[in-house]
Amino acid sequence: DIQMTQSPSSLSAFVGDRVTITCRASQSVSSFLNWFQQKPGKAPKLLIYTASSLQTGVPSGFSGSGSGTDFTLTISSLQPEDFATYYCQQTYSAPFTFGPGTKVDIK
Amino acid sequence: EVQLVESGGGLVQPGGSLRLSCVVSGFTFSSYWMHWVRQAPGEGLVWVSRTSTDGSSTNYADSVKGRFTISRDNAKNTLYLQMNSLTAEDTAIYYCVRGRNSGLDVWGQGTTVTVSS
Repeated sequence: DIQMTQSPSSLSAFVGDRVTITCRASQSVSSFLNWFQQKPGKAPKLLIYTASSLQTGVPSGFSGSGSGTDFTLTISSLQPEDFATYYCQQTYSAPFTFGPGTKVDIK
Repeated sequence: EVQLVESGGGLVQPGGSLRLSCVVSGFTFSSYWMHWVRQAPGEGLVWVSRTSTDGSSTNYADSVKGRFTISRDNAKNTLYLQMNSLTAEDTAIYYCVRGRNSGLDVWGQGTTVTVSS
């Protein structure tokens, strides 16, 4: 099975900050890497698919990059509604494992 | 409007069984692979299972293989998850999710399963 790791596990940031979250796969997943946002008590929401494609309706301040084993999610200017937990997931090979999550909160 | 509505969760004793259902609307159910994802209280997301459009191909997480069975009824626009030999580690919110090449793009609100004596 492919193992996914994320760093950092949590971060504190100000509104307006640029935030970068890293996701690493234990073996290549090509570009089959997705990013999700989850707020407390809510279902996850797809933000980025196939590493760098922005899901319809997601603000352009979110972007993704990477391929193979190393990926990043960037929020260009953190907004109040962006405080949440972010997960990466590989859909290259079943089981489609998620990373452990990165919690972004207010500084 | 695309909707996925899960049901069937509840309290079950260790060793017991439960069947979850997910009724979908707003899209052509038979054209999409479908997944189940779960989340234990205070924990992260765990992918559980997926089924192909006609149900002929399925995959499972190691933690549920041999105990859980995913299935679908395309005539009823319904996805199922039969869960047997439940343990406390299966306690979680279970989400029904639509799958596309572009990722798991639509999620239900989840149904809660609690395994406890």
